[in-house]
Amino acid sequence: DGGITQSPKYLFRKEGQNVTLSCEQNLNHDAMYWYRQDPGQGLRLIYYSQIVNDFQKGDIAEGYSVSREKKESFPLTVTSAQKNPTAFYLCASSIGGKGHSNTEAFFGQGTRLTVV
Amino acid sequence: EDKVVQSPLSLVVHEGDTVTLNCSYEVTNFRSLLWYKQEKKAPTFLFMLTSSGIEKKSGRLSSILDKKELSSILNITATQTGDSAIYLCAVRTDSWGKLQFGAGTQVVVTP
Repeated sequence: DGGITQSPKYLFRKEGQNVTLSCEQNLNHDAMYWYRQDPGQGLRLIYYSQIVNDFQKGDIAEGYSVSREKKESFPLTVTSAQKNPTAFYLCASSIGGKGHSNTEAFFGQGTRLTVV
Repeated sequence: EDKVVQSPLSLVVHEGDTVTLNCSYEVTNFRSLLWYKQEKKAPTFLFMLTSSGIEKKSGRLSSILDKKELSSILNITATQTGDSAIYLCAVRTDSWGKLQFGAGTQVVVTP
């Protein structure tokens, strides 16, 4: 089955800890994205990657880091510098590339992160 | 700063009613507008609109884009309880597929 897999589904973090959220896709997509969803605020872009070994900051990148060492994988690390990390995190991918700008993005099932 | 605004933020309707959701946008570089439905976790794709005035339809759902008014509407006719969800509007703003999302509209359909 082709798709995007996020893990874990639920994650609890103590204050001061870094945690890493996993996102894997087998759709052969070039572009991958991380969004944060808070109640009443829709989805806000954290980081995105258009190709392996390249990524750009989105609108709310502070306190987060990413890597894109493989096409299939785009992990997100929530660092201790992120002051309010409790949220629902969604990973997405799309075909990407300038010849495929008008294609939809596919989403994973999300990870709910709670700071305890 | 790019902005996508959805209205209303939430609404409650009875089964069988018709619902109209609004999405307006102010972006520097419009490529396309997308609608998603989010029931519990992953948003699922509904429509992508690029040309003004052309309606996209899928069953009881339809959507149309008005580039002059910088807006789109999503209609749901003969609503069912399974239509209860958050409906997200997003605008693609660059050639690589970056999406700017609105806050979403929470729709609750009561029996």
